Formats: sequence, structure tokens, C-alpha cells
Amino acid sequence: GEDVEQSLFLSVREGDSSVINCTYTDSSSTYLYWYKQEPGAGLQLLTYIFSNMDMKQDQRLTVLLNKKDKHLSLRIADTQTGDSAIYFCAERTEYGNKLVFGAGTILRVKS
Amino acid sequence: EPEVTQTPSHQVTQMGQEVILRCVPISNHLYFYWYRQILGQKVEFLVSFYNNEISEKSEIFDDQFSVERPDGSNFTLKIRSTKLEDSAMYFCASSDDNQGEQYFGPGTRLTVT
Repeated sequence: GEDVEQSLFLSVREGDSSVINCTYTDSSSTYLYWYKQEPGAGLQLLTYIFSNMDMKQDQRLTVLLNKKDKHLSLRIADTQTGDSAIYFCAERTEYGNKLVFGAGTILRVKS
Repeated sequence: EPEVTQTPSHQVTQMGQEVILRCVPISNHLYFYWYRQILGQKVEFLVSFYNNEISEKSEIFDDQFSVERPDGSNFTLKIRSTKLEDSAMYFCASSDDNQGEQYFGPGTRLTVT
């Protein structure tokens, strides 16, 4: 079945780059997403990548997809204290429209 | 910017009671979803809904659960007889098409005592 795994915690200094990693098992994944959850808030869609792409850049965010290894990463350049949150990786398969989420990576940014 | 809204933000209920969680999806969206996140666990898909029908549901979504679009704006999740293990954050989401990005509401925290 589908499964998405993420590392649980990442701590970086303000101004450094953050890289959050995710692996998934379903080779029929069509879209892969990154969501951000701040304390007490809902899930905010940050960015997504279609499975036929290797990379997508959106301002400070860069998504890299290695489809062969089923590995997805989110790089945040010049990380700010406001980036502190939980980041969820999610996949959607070719059939159906449900999202399958990872457990989330807690990003802590130290000033 | 349009957003998904959910009410209430927190609901406390006794075991065995019925609860209805309410969502107002983004107005031009046609696909609606419910997910839940038990404390410390992953966000899990419950159900998707399109054209007044359930299009997909998970094993969690048993006969105790139902969804409804009672009017042109609301989308509800009903739990008929709550159990302790139903305590979770429930998220509503909507998208404009089957492959579109899903936008989430802020969630309703359900506590069953």
C-alpha cells in the first residue's frame, strides 16, 4: 500500500538553508505536495510537483524529485524564524484523489 | 484570498453522542474531503465527495460516519455515536477539480470524553 516517511525533526540557524526529506512507496504517484502547519493552524499548501518533473523552484522553496529512488525534498533558502512549523509531505496516486501524508517534520529555526 | 472555514474550532462531547462538524469549502470548488489527525499520528484520509456522492472512502469511514452537502455552501461530517478513539483534529479540504490542489481548513478539534 501507499506509505510516506519523513524524518521527525530538523533544527537550523536563521539564514541557513533547510532541507526536509521524504520518501514514498507508491510508484504510481502523480503529484507530490508539501504542506506547512503552524501551531494551532490548518495545513497550508506550500508547493507541489508533478511526477514527470525533477525540480520546481518557487521563490525561497526548491522541490527536488528523484522518481527512481522515490525521494522528495524541500529546500528552504535563507530560513527565517517564521519558517518554524511542521512540514508534511503528501502524495496522490494516479487513481483516486486522496492524499497520503507523512508524519511531518518539525522544523525549528534558531535565531 | 478565498479559504476553507470550519466550525466549531473545538468540540467536546460525551461518548455515544452524535456530533456534526461543519465546513464551508471555497465557493467555486466542486470536490470536498475530510481528513483527521489523531494526536501524534499522521493525517489520514476519511472521505471524498463530488456531485452529491461519496467518491472514495477509507476503512476508517465506517457506518458511524456520514457526509452531507445540505445546501450550496456547507459540507458536514456527522459521527453518529462517538467513541473515545474518535478524538482527533478533523480537517476539511476542497479542490476545484479531481486533480487540483486541495486547500485545507483550520480544523476542528474533537474531544470525546
